[in-house]
Amino acid sequence: EPEVTQTPSHQVTQMGQEVILRCVPISNHLYFYWYRQILGQKVEFLVSFYNNEISEKSEIFDDQFSVERPDGSNFTLKIRSTKLEDSAMYFCASMSGGANEQFFGPGTRLTVL
Amino acid sequence: QKEVEQNSGPLSVPEGAIASLNCTYSDRGSQSFFWYRQYSGKSPELIMFIYSNGDKEDGRFTAQLNKASQYVSLLIRDSQPSDSATYLCAVNIAGTASKLTFGTGTRLQVTL
Repeated sequence: EPEVTQTPSHQVTQMGQEVILRCVPISNHLYFYWYRQILGQKVEFLVSFYNNEISEKSEIFDDQFSVERPDGSNFTLKIRSTKLEDSAMYFCASMSGGANEQFFGPGTRLTVL
Repeated sequence: QKEVEQNSGPLSVPEGAIASLNCTYSDRGSQSFFWYRQYSGKSPELIMFIYSNGDKEDGRFTAQLNKASQYVSLLIRDSQPSDSATYLCAVNIAGTASKLTFGTGTRLQVTL
């Protein structure tokens, strides 16, 4: 069964450093999302992406964040200058064009020291 | 603020019993409703979704939606220890392809 994959599974970085989180959505899916979950808190929407552009973003998704689909398979989230409060699980999700169900990847645990 | 509310639990049920998980939402324009299961340290896993008022059954799971009361629930029949997890209610407010707004989740414990 096709699934969303994410790399790395765990990323440790120093405050102020740039990180890139990578996702490979399910093949032939058209809609892509990033969510995050701070430990013990709810899953929060960051950004959605369709047709090579951002379709929606939350107030969390400020100028420090960017997304890109550099090729036909990868979908990346970049954080330019990480803060302590960026420490969280980051989930990528994708959805096909004819449905309404979002499928989540296994997540990347980001730890900012 | 568009909210999705869930009792955090834990909800403890004995093996073989019915577990009932509840969720309320504040935005009357909400269109689609999803139940995800999340094991500790893992990602949300879609269990089922519902769009229309009434019941929707899938195996041991039944989702119930009452738009007038802004209420959605998940029933798990014949609960198993492997069902022990956090159940997340998620709402799609603006239509297909828009973001999901999640509740905090209800932790379910199925005891032997």
